Amino acid sequence: KQEVTQIPAALSVPEGENLVLNCSFTDSAIYNLQWFRQDPGKGLTSLLLIQSSQREQTSGRLNASLDKSSGRSTLYIAASQPGDSATYLCAVLFGNEKLTFGTGTRLTIIP
Amino acid sequence: KAGVTQTPRYLIKTRGQQVTLSCSPISGHRSVSWYQQTPGQGLQFLFEYFSETQRNKGNFPGRFSGRQFSNSRSEMNVSTLELGDSALYLCASSLGGRLTDTQYFGPGTRLTVL
Repeated sequence: KQEVTQIPAALSVPEGENLVLNCSFTDSAIYNLQWFRQDPGKGLTSLLLIQSSQREQTSGRLNASLDKSSGRSTLYIAASQPGDSATYLCAVLFGNEKLTFGTGTRLTIIP
Repeated sequence: KAGVTQTPRYLIKTRGQQVTLSCSPISGHRSVSWYQQTPGQGLQFLFEYFSETQRNKGNFPGRFSGRQFSNSRSEMNVSTLELGDSALYLCASSLGGRLTDTQYFGPGTRLTVL
């Protein structure tokens, strides 16, 4: 069964610190992996999309890596800010075109 | 460029009724996907439409259906509503499809079934 897991479910970090969010998946045959953030009661905002052939993507203070062989992706956030507080979701598009979301990590940045 | 819009934003229905949700993609995007988000099941893929054709479908009963028009706008219909259909319904658009392109999500329609 294709599954996507995000641990921990919740994380609190003091403002200014760097942090890493984790995403693991059970099948290495994937099309792509996408990281989103979701603010309470809102839709999803795309952060980074990593294609199967890529190892990492960067946007501003965010860096996402992909290791298909180990079934893992990380989202690195540098110099965290209170505005980064949100739920972060990773979504894996598996080779059978089934898109599966992780349950998310709720991030709180403490001022 | 305007983002993905969904209407209505909130809906309250009773069991047994049917409902239609609407999604307008970003201009130029040809793919629209629908998702259901609940606290218990998280985000689940419903279906994807591309150029008016359903390209992929998740594991939902036939009560859930959709369609896409020639202008790429999409509608989702749920018939014979059940309490468990209460959820946030999200649509997402992308230029060429989920396989290669970033998906941009709308704000969602929150459906409450009483």
